[in-house]
Amino acid sequence: GQNIDQPTEMTATEGAIVQINCTYQTSGFNGLFWYQQHAGEAPTFLSYNVLDGLEEKGRFSSFLSRSKGYSYLLLKELQMKDSASYLCAVMDSNYQLIWGAGTKLIIKP
Amino acid sequence: IAGITQAPTSQILAAGRRMTLRCTQDMRHNAMYWYRQDLGLGLRLIHYSNTAGTTGKGEVPDGYSVSRANTDDFPLTLASAVPSQTSVYFCASSDSGTGAQYFGPGTRLTVL
Repeated sequence: GQNIDQPTEMTATEGAIVQINCTYQTSGFNGLFWYQQHAGEAPTFLSYNVLDGLEEKGRFSSFLSRSKGYSYLLLKELQMKDSASYLCAVMDSNYQLIWGAGTKLIIKP
Repeated sequence: IAGITQAPTSQILAAGRRMTLRCTQDMRHNAMYWYRQDLGLGLRLIHYSNTAGTTGKGEVPDGYSVSRANTDDFPLTLASAVPSQTSVYFCASSDSGTGAQYFGPGTRLTVL
């Protein structure tokens, strides 16, 4: 079966750095996506990785290792507004997104 | 409009009633999707459409139907609502380049 694993919840301090991990087992791979979802709102697209390595976009970076079935989202200089759920999703061989259940990130002052 | 819109924002529905959730996008994306999101379960795909005139079943299609008469609109119909269909429903469309999906604001549906 297809599976995406990420921690259920993480806590970090304002101004710090946090790394949210995602491991996957899917039938085929056509890219990995990270989304941010604030409570009561829709998911919003953050990043896309299809090749191994690090993609940086401002305070957020995403890393992919296809051989390990592993990705992480790195958030730097954490702000209170970063409190949200972060969803990892993998596009399988049928070009469908397989979604993880999400990691709830709590930022403390 | 810019992006994806959904209507209604929320709805309380009696069991057994028929309900259509509306979704419209103006980004000229070919592919569109309907998801439901329940606490602890993440996003689950109900139906999708790769292009106007075609539809496909996702992970949890039972009790739902869709149509795709044109590029912009992708309505989701519950023929006879049941309480287990209480959920938040998101419509999305995807960029043909990366396949990134962009979501509407959601419809919160309660079936009593």
